[in-house]
Amino acid sequence: ETGVTQSPTHLIKTRGQQVTLRCSSQSGHNTVSWYQQALGQGPQFIFQYYREEENGRGNFPPRFSGLQFPNYSSELNVNALELDDSALYLCASSLGQGLYEQYFGPGTRLTVT
Amino acid sequence: AQSVTQLDSQVPVFEEAPVELRCNYSSSVSVYLFWYVQYPNQGLQLLLKYLSGSTLVKGINGFEAEFNKSQTSFHLRKPSVHISDTAEYFCAVSDRVGNQFYFGTGTSLTVIP
Repeated sequence: ETGVTQSPTHLIKTRGQQVTLRCSSQSGHNTVSWYQQALGQGPQFIFQYYREEENGRGNFPPRFSGLQFPNYSSELNVNALELDDSALYLCASSLGQGLYEQYFGPGTRLTVT
Repeated sequence: AQSVTQLDSQVPVFEEAPVELRCNYSSSVSVYLFWYVQYPNQGLQLLLKYLSGSTLVKGINGFEAEFNKSQTSFHLRKPSVHISDTAEYFCAVSDRVGNQFYFGTGTSLTVIP
C-alpha cells in the first residue's frame, strides 16, 4: 500500500509568482485535503476535494485554488504569492466525504522571498 | 464554526513519568475530536479519535484521551512516557458533516532522560 506523497519537497519562489504543489493520495482514497502550517503553528484547513469537486473550504482567499484528478491525485495552486504564504503545505487523503481518518503526506516547504 | 485551544505550548516531562496534554474546544454543534502527532520534519500521524460511544478512547503508542462534553475537553494522557514520544502534538476538531477541520496550535512534548 502506497502512502500519501507530495512534490516537490522544497520550493523557493518570489513574491507575486504562482506555484503548483502536487499530492498523490493513498491507494483507495477518494478525498484529498490541503493544509497550511506556518512555522510554530498548527495546520490550517485550506480546502477539501471529494470526487473531483471542492467539498469544503477554510478561510483562505480565492488565489488558493485546487484540482482533483480522476485518479484522485490533487494539485494546490497559489497565485500572486505573498511573503506570508511561506509555510509547510500538507496534503491528506481519506476515504469518503468525512475527514475522520486522514493520512498525511510529509509536506512541501514553500519559501516566498 | 469550531475552535481548539491547547493550553500548554511546551510540556517537559521525565522519562517514565505520566503526562497529560490539555485540549479544549468550542462549538455550537456536535463534533468529532482527534489527536495527531508530528515528529520533526514529518507529516502528521493520527493517534486517536472520538466519533461516538465510550468517552475514553485508546490510541496507538499507549496514548488515551477522554471526551468530556460538559467541560468541552479532550485531554490526552499517557501513564509512562518514552524518549521516542518527544514530538509535537495537535488536537483537532471536525463538525459532523466532516468537511471542516480545525487544529490547535500544538503542544511540544519533550521527554527528558
